[in-house]
Amino acid sequence: DTEVTQTPKHLVMGMTNKKSLKCEQHMGHRAMYWYKQKAKKPPELMFVYSYEKLSINESVPSRFSPECPNSSLLNLHLHALQPEDSALYLCASSQDYVEGGVNSPLHFGNGTRLTVT
Amino acid sequence: GIQVEQSPPDLILQEGANSTLRCNFSDSVNNLQWFHQNPWGQLINLFYIPSGTKQNGRLSATTVATERYSLLYISSSQTTDSGVYFCAVALGGKLIFGQGTELSVKP
Repeated sequence: DTEVTQTPKHLVMGMTNKKSLKCEQHMGHRAMYWYKQKAKKPPELMFVYSYEKLSINESVPSRFSPECPNSSLLNLHLHALQPEDSALYLCASSQDYVEGGVNSPLHFGNGTRLTVT
Repeated sequence: GIQVEQSPPDLILQEGANSTLRCNFSDSVNNLQWFHQNPWGQLINLFYIPSGTKQNGRLSATTVATERYSLLYISSSQTTDSGVYFCAVALGGKLIFGQGTELSVKP
């Protein structure tokens, strides 16, 4: 069983909806990540949080809004999405994170399969 | 930017066979990780291997950082090994994934 828990597993939303994806880890990790994965493609980094502060935003559109309420939780708020945003959204965590490199193994959750209609 | 190339892109094996997957990268990196994504989308970290060799059961990995490549060995393959194998390199604060090798193990 994965130690990174993501909810919901599946989400269907309209373009005018507002929804949130949730991620939780209890491994004491201080870095958390959001990745987006389209079918038959590798995961693409969206955001990195280190010690609850946003470290990297990969020029993600503002319709995606991340939030890190505490070191165990990571949310991704969704608003006014487009059909092309349909994808698997993966959350990950690692023990630590320093500028200049990921320096510990990443552990991924099972993902949320998002469909935008 | 850095290029991460995996080969082969696709691989079909008979159960019990051995295989070697390769990951080449175009620049010096801080570390390298191997992942397995099963057909249900679950992404599992197999190895964190900046350099040297590690083994975990039927799997082993070797990274030669000075020559900018890493190898993943799968011995006595099983149908549960099917899925996509990704290597990912850490550079500039990011973990950058290769395109993956899709492995299918037939019974």
